[in-house]
Amino acid sequence: TQLLEQSPQFLSIQEGENLTVYCNSSSVFSSLQWYRQEPGEGPVLLVTVVTGGEVKKLKRLTFQFGDARKDSSLHITAAQPGDTGLYLCAGVRNFNKFYFGSGTKLNVKP
Amino acid sequence: DAGVTQSPTHLIKTRGQQVTLRCSPKSGHDTVSWYQQALGQGPQFIFQYYEEEERQRGNFPDRFSGHQFPNYSSELNVNALLLGDSALYLCASSSGQGDEQYFGPGTRLTVT
Repeated sequence: TQLLEQSPQFLSIQEGENLTVYCNSSSVFSSLQWYRQEPGEGPVLLVTVVTGGEVKKLKRLTFQFGDARKDSSLHITAAQPGDTGLYLCAGVRNFNKFYFGSGTKLNVKP
Repeated sequence: DAGVTQSPTHLIKTRGQQVTLRCSPKSGHDTVSWYQQALGQGPQFIFQYYEEEERQRGNFPDRFSGHQFPNYSSELNVNALLLGDSALYLCASSSGQGDEQYFGPGTRLTVT
């Protein structure tokens, strides 16, 4: 059983559209991270959110940590083909023990 | 500055065999974590090594064991391989109590 549930599992959109990916849990995390993984490579860290209610922006990507530190969302504005990849959330508990969600596979069509 | 490196890139083994995977952490990092990523899934935490000792462990059987060397590099050993062990094995390094992990490209293990 996954500690973190991500939705949707798959997302195929046109270039220029907006999208939101959700990461939910019934457990509290000390921090939550978002990664992007491309085929044949390891995940690359995009952001870490630590405080409940925290919002971080990275260019066209907006990350939010839920007030209770149990959930998070990733919003992409005006998606581009270069955003295509597997997006993973990971919650941190128990002194650097990482729990990954199952991922959201995003395909942005030109 | 070399990032996290893993070897080999790909490996094919037969059920019942044993395998050793290797990882060199990013320069300046002293903590190594190992993950198993099945096709279409997120990485599952296997264990973490710090100061040559296993500090954290996920829900993996004792067939999965590891080691960390004085130079911080690490090995993952899997005994009595099962078909279900086929996966991408990822190594991630970090610094002490920091939570910023850097992942290697992984080793693709196929068990036939």
